[in-house]
Amino acid sequence: DAGVIQSPRHEVTEMGQEVTLRCKPISGHDYLFWYRQTMMRGLELLIYFNNNVPIDDSGMPEDRFSAKMPNASFSTLKIQPSEPRDSAVYFCASSLSGGAINGYTFGSGTRLTVV
Amino acid sequence: QKEVEQDPGPLSVPEGAIVSLNCTYSNSAFQYFMWYRQYSRKGPELLMYTYSSGNKEDGRFTAQVDKSSKYISLFIRDSQPSDSATYLCAMTFTGGFKTIFGAGTRLFVKA
Repeated sequence: DAGVIQSPRHEVTEMGQEVTLRCKPISGHDYLFWYRQTMMRGLELLIYFNNNVPIDDSGMPEDRFSAKMPNASFSTLKIQPSEPRDSAVYFCASSLSGGAINGYTFGSGTRLTVV
Repeated sequence: QKEVEQDPGPLSVPEGAIVSLNCTYSNSAFQYFMWYRQYSRKGPELLMYTYSSGNKEDGRFTAQVDKSSKYISLFIRDSQPSDSATYLCAMTFTGGFKTIFGAGTRLFVKA
């Protein structure tokens, strides 16, 4: 298995533009998580899905952020409009049965810079 | 107060040293405790997990959980330069599907 695949690896965009981050989870994993990592705040959970259904989006910072999972093999995180404070590394992770025992498998992340 | 507290370091040690990494937490309901290792520009990867209290050993790594003190530790014996990374503690509840991560401790092992 190729693991969790995220694209793009790097994204530089101007303030106000729409940004879409993409994730392909490991086949067979039933949970998908979106995290954001910064030096100041560490790893923050934004939203997670179970069987393609959003379960908890309480970590989504503002209405500018939205996430979808149209099928078991694809998810997107969209920021519209983007702001400089959104600059961070965004990770997608997937797991089997929530991750308490098997842990999460993370992708390599998307490094977002908003100028 | 954060649910999980972890000293960000950095921690610098010579090759061969024993490394001790620690986290404290506030929620006594946590039952699963994990350590992740994150290399630069990579995603975190699961290193070890422990259920409830006690010790678990895997090669040069030992994880300890003291639920009475709400304190968890990761020990690395005979540390190697390849161990240089950020180590994140993480924990969740029984039946929980949301893992809470510590901020991570940056470790440098000097050859």
